[in-house]
Amino acid sequence: SQQGEEDPQALSIQEGENATMNCSYKTSINNLQWYRQNSGRGLVHLILIRSNEREKHSGRLRVTLDTSKKSSSLLITASRAADTASYFCATDGTGAGSYQLTFGKGTKLSVIP
Amino acid sequence: NAGVTQTPKFQVLKTGQSMTLQCAQDMNHEYMSWYRQDPGMGLRLIHYSVGAGITDQGEVPNGYNVSRSTTEDFPLRLLSAAPSQTSVYFCASSYNRLRDTGELFFGEGSRLTVL
Repeated sequence: SQQGEEDPQALSIQEGENATMNCSYKTSINNLQWYRQNSGRGLVHLILIRSNEREKHSGRLRVTLDTSKKSSSLLITASRAADTASYFCATDGTGAGSYQLTFGKGTKLSVIP
Repeated sequence: NAGVTQTPKFQVLKTGQSMTLQCAQDMNHEYMSWYRQDPGMGLRLIHYSVGAGITDQGEVPNGYNVSRSTTEDFPLRLLSAAPSQTSVYFCASSYNRLRDTGELFFGEGSRLTVL
């Protein structure tokens, strides 16, 4: 079953605007990751945040993690047309589930030039 | 480094045929895995391996076999293809050993159609 669920399913914004995507998950995790997938391509890792971290930055990306609410958000600032892609959150489990990385269904982001 | 290489990129099978999707990585990664991606379903884990000689089932293992005889290779076998196995298959690997799967490196995918 899906561990992470992204929200919204689709998002359309103008170039230069910020894009925010959310992810909720069900069970305790060691870390949470975000991936990007361009159409017809494989997934590319963006950022990893560990369960003892609350916020992490990488370039124009900002990720937050709230373990009490079992949720995370990905913010892309000053979006570009090249950011058009699907974005997935992925979580591992603790204990026996820690070898499995479970993906959500993704948010499809369209950035209009 | 080539990263994660999947072959073939496209394949059409008839129901009941068998085939093997190949996956190779040149990064000396301990962890390798296979996912399938279907519209509206996201990615679902089929099988994974935490090292040579060690494999385990993921969320949707039925109809698929794997083996891991070397660190580099992790083939996925369909013994008797069914239309429900029409999907895009991704192989992914990670440098982490046993605990904490860490960042996954993905191949470009293999598109399989079963008629």
